[in-house]
Amino acid sequence: EAEVAQSPRYKITEKSQAVAFWCDPISGHATLYWYRQILGQGPELLVQFQDESVVDDSQLPKDRFSAERLKGVDSTLKIQPAELGDSAMYLCASSYTSGPTDTQYFGPGTRLTVL
Amino acid sequence: AQKITQTQPGMFVQEKEAVTLDCTYDTSDPSYGLFWYKQPSSGEMIFLIYQGSYDQQNATEGRYSLNFQKARKSANLVISASQLGDSAMYFCAMREGSGTYKYIFGTGTRLKVLA
Repeated sequence: EAEVAQSPRYKITEKSQAVAFWCDPISGHATLYWYRQILGQGPELLVQFQDESVVDDSQLPKDRFSAERLKGVDSTLKIQPAELGDSAMYLCASSYTSGPTDTQYFGPGTRLTVL
Repeated sequence: AQKITQTQPGMFVQEKEAVTLDCTYDTSDPSYGLFWYKQPSSGEMIFLIYQGSYDQQNATEGRYSLNFQKARKSANLVISASQLGDSAMYFCAMREGSGTYKYIFGTGTRLKVLA
């Protein structure tokens, strides 16, 4: 069964350091999403790609966060510099298209702890 | 205004009993999708069930069914014959049929199945 891959699964870093997360969507899925989930809350969309183009990054803190999907396949989310408040689960998801009936499938997530 | 509302922060159910998790939504878009996800303590978001706004029948997937009441704007998840492994967070989500088709998640309901 096809799955969304993410790495690393866990990351501990000190504040002011740079961190990067990687995501490989299900093969053939054109739409890729990065979410941040703070403990006890629902996921919040950070950025949405359609192929290699960003279609929504309205909630991405652009002063420290960046995301890319250069060839329209896998994607990297970077935080530089990390802050204490960035401690959260970072989830990647993909869907075949971006229509209202399209189901998103999630990866296992990266749990980030900033010390 | 909240577009997805889950009013039950926590629920308990006895093993083998049925349980209903509530979800109400708010949209003026005639085309939308409603989704339920399960999130165990390990963190991954597992897709459970989908209901489209134009679907005439309630969705079912194994022990999961979605009680879709369009006029009341509710999409409650029913889990029949609860199992210990059903203990998890459950999120309701909506995807509207306009704009970037962004998923909007509720705050979740934590379900605990008792032996």
